[in-house]
Amino acid sequence: DTAVSQTPKYLVTQMGNDKSIKCEQNLGHDTMYWYKQDSKKFLKIMFSYNNKELIINETVPNRFSPKSPDKAHLNLHINSLELGDSAVYFCASSTPSRASYGYTFGSGTRLTVV
Amino acid sequence: AQRVTQPEKLLSVFKGAPVELKCNYSYSGSPELFWYVQYSRQRLQLLLRHISRESIKGFTADLNKGETSFHLKKPFAQEEDSAMYYCALKAETSYDKVIFGPGTSLSVIP
Repeated sequence: DTAVSQTPKYLVTQMGNDKSIKCEQNLGHDTMYWYKQDSKKFLKIMFSYNNKELIINETVPNRFSPKSPDKAHLNLHINSLELGDSAVYFCASSTPSRASYGYTFGSGTRLTVV
Repeated sequence: AQRVTQPEKLLSVFKGAPVELKCNYSYSGSPELFWYVQYSRQRLQLLLRHISRESIKGFTADLNKGETSFHLKKPFAQEEDSAMYYCALKAETSYDKVIFGPGTSLSVIP
């Protein structure tokens, strides 16, 4: 009964391909996020959805498109993958009314573009 | 704009020695501050929240608004403390957006 689950855990793909990462949370949280952790372990927010509505959209290439079919799911689709997209992508969730309790993170998706 | 800095990218201490991981922030309002920990190839986990003033796994952190710091401390380091530690800030007005510092990798030498 994992709280925030991401699939796949590992993804190796060639440059130019299109791929998706899925995230699901069963915590009843309202808000979900995508973070990118680069090779230097730096964490940067990419997107945030609240109840299926996009609320944070940081400076991310248009090749990245999040989709939230419902508040329990937030997927990330990446078009025309580039070498620089190689990173670990973390999904997280929280609820604004209890934001002080912090985020719950998924276990990450390690994307390797070759 | 909010910013979180962690001056040490790497920190090595011997087992049993005290450890302090530094965190400074810049924000003009009243932030909420957190420490997250990431053990090797695992997910990030919330370690501490400043508002709860708790001690988790022997770690404590005190918010010093005068120095805009939120340093993480433990009196006696254990080998299992080896991990990546992130300081994080949530601004009072942002819609739940949390900014993470660059992280400090702690290595406890047996």
